[in-house]
Amino acid sequence: GAGVSQTPSNKVTEKGKYVELRCDPISGHTALYWYRQSLGQGPEFLIYFQGTGAADDSGLPNDRFFAVRPEGSVSTLKIQRTERGDSAVYLCASSLTGTAEAFFGQGTRLTVV
Amino acid sequence: GENVEQHPSTLSVQEGDSAVIKCTYSDSASNYFPWYKQELGKRPQLIIDIRSNVGEKKDQRIAVTLNKTAKHFSLHITETQPEDSAVYFCAAMYTQKLVFGQGTRLTINP
Repeated sequence: GAGVSQTPSNKVTEKGKYVELRCDPISGHTALYWYRQSLGQGPEFLIYFQGTGAADDSGLPNDRFFAVRPEGSVSTLKIQRTERGDSAVYLCASSLTGTAEAFFGQGTRLTVV
Repeated sequence: GENVEQHPSTLSVQEGDSAVIKCTYSDSASNYFPWYKQELGKRPQLIIDIRSNVGEKKDQRIAVTLNKTAKHFSLHITETQPEDSAVYFCAAMYTQKLVFGQGTRLTINP
């Protein structure tokens, strides 16, 4: 595809459930980022992949959050035992390298009820 | 830790006037400073960026200035138009991750 694609666009889940959010980066982009954006706030860094490895996961809030990128392309953000405070828009971005401009997907709006 | 402060949080200007948004960053090693525009319900879109080896960059009505000594950078929009209304975010790159400011809601009044 031409841009970064995220699925689903919206996800409503019950407290305590497990969710997976998917990101398809721009083809050929080696760097991939996950951010979380709450209403009225700037994107908050979660994790950065360079290729298949997580180069920086310092933004993951706790061990309920985990992300993978097994083949260096598609990435999945996994959230266990969801809490209402996890409700936010989860944004994915990719860039050609870790120092080039980053392009964002449209985000997944997660609502935990 | 890394920190980016952005001001003002809201800005209202008359159509045709200029708008300026300012950001400061904490880590002097940061070397890349992009600006994103986000319309309601949409993804952030890169509008301009600057690297630490230049002091100013311009693209039509948009310009960005960087003062590395003072660790601040600014976005300037001239001849504002209604379609410039959006939330604008500055960011600074720290060790290959972008840290964002809190955003400025810009409203252009006709």
